[in-house]
Amino acid sequence: SQLAEENPWALSVHEGESVTVNCSYKTSITALQWYRQKSGEGPAQLILIRSNEREKRNGRLRATLDTSSQSSSLSITATRCEDTAVYFCATEGTGGADRLTFGKGTQLIIQP
Amino acid sequence: AQTIHQWPVAEIKAVGSPLSLGCTIKGKSSPNLYWYWQATGGTLQQLFYSITVGQVESVVQLNLSASRPKDDQFILSTEKLLLSHSGFYLCAWRTFYAETLYFGSGTRLTVL
Repeated sequence: SQLAEENPWALSVHEGESVTVNCSYKTSITALQWYRQKSGEGPAQLILIRSNEREKRNGRLRATLDTSSQSSSLSITATRCEDTAVYFCATEGTGGADRLTFGKGTQLIIQP
Repeated sequence: AQTIHQWPVAEIKAVGSPLSLGCTIKGKSSPNLYWYWQATGGTLQQLFYSITVGQVESVVQLNLSASRPKDDQFILSTEKLLLSHSGFYLCAWRTFYAETLYFGSGTRLTVL
């Protein structure tokens, strides 16, 4: 079974709107990372949030982490067409960053 | 600046034929190196990782092997391809003291 899972599976909003992607995980973690993958490219990290942090920001991005409910969210404000991508959460457990576990991803489409 | 180069960009191979994919990291000494596999529309499945030359840890058994012949080089190979090997192969690196993975642009493999 999947150890990390994003939802919804797909999402479409208009440019300028805000959007939130959620992630649920099943194991104890030391940190959680959010990655974005554009079509035909490798993923790129957006935010890393440690288990003792509740919120982390990076420009228009905001990640939250709730270890009691084993969930995280990634919010994007003022979306742009170039934000169109697949968004993954990746968890670090006892293996640390040597054993990142990725979810299946959320396909986000930003319409003009 | 560090750069990661994967080769080839794409391959079309026959079932039963051999395969060798490569990855080179420039500008960073002694990186931790990773191979991930991604089925079309799927999650990133970690295959191997290496923290030093000559040492490779296998994460998933997919009839593939990996080697690290040089500090900056990671090779993924098999003697006999299966249809199930089709997908997107991604190499990644990180420094031992940071958790961010930096991915290459990937190799698209089609097995017919």
